[in-house]
Amino acid sequence: GAVVSQHPSRVICKSGTSVKIECRSLDFQATTMFWYRQFPKKSLMLMATSNEGSKATYEQGVEKDKFLINHASLTLSTLTVTSAHPEDSSFYICSADGRVTEAFFGQGTRLTVV
Amino acid sequence: AQTVTQSQPEMSVQEAETVTLSCTYDTSESDYYLFWYKQPPSRQMILVIRQEAYKQQNATENRFSVNFQKAAKSFSLKISDSQLGDAAMYFCAYFNTGNQFYFGTGTSLTVIP
Repeated sequence: GAVVSQHPSRVICKSGTSVKIECRSLDFQATTMFWYRQFPKKSLMLMATSNEGSKATYEQGVEKDKFLINHASLTLSTLTVTSAHPEDSSFYICSADGRVTEAFFGQGTRLTVV
Repeated sequence: AQTVTQSQPEMSVQEAETVTLSCTYDTSESDYYLFWYKQPPSRQMILVIRQEAYKQQNATENRFSVNFQKAAKSFSLKISDSQLGDAAMYFCAYFNTGNQFYFGTGTSLTVIP
């Protein structure tokens, strides 16, 4: 199956700093990538839909100025958590549409803000 | 907005036995896809099985099969001959023509040796 690589897998940052998470489709081109947030023992909450070459579409309640998404190429989307606070600590997962109707997921990034 | 409901937060099954995980969804669309994803402790999401709504035949993948009842908007997953490696969180997901996934709240499956 198609491979989506997410980096880093774990990151610890100080409160007030920014953190960038990368999502790469390694063997296919993805015009659309999705960013999810998952709280412990909870489901995946869609944060935003990232479309190559255009602005991301954010879900209601997600601060677009805090969670900056860039999809500059068909194989890379980045999520930047700006001015991170402890409440931003979570597990973030990206997915990419390799083909119609199937999403391939990255390994996830555990963000801890101290 | 579409909703996906998994009414069983936790389930357990004896090794080699069969277990069924339930999922219901709400939609007004006629064309959509349904999925079961598995999330083991590694947190990597793994596709288990997929069902196209226009197909009446239930999808099967080795020990995994679904019971798709379109009129009832029900999509259950049956795991036969359960193995220890099947222990994980299982998420039911709905995919619509708007190119979005909607996930259920998950069912944590424990396999008892």
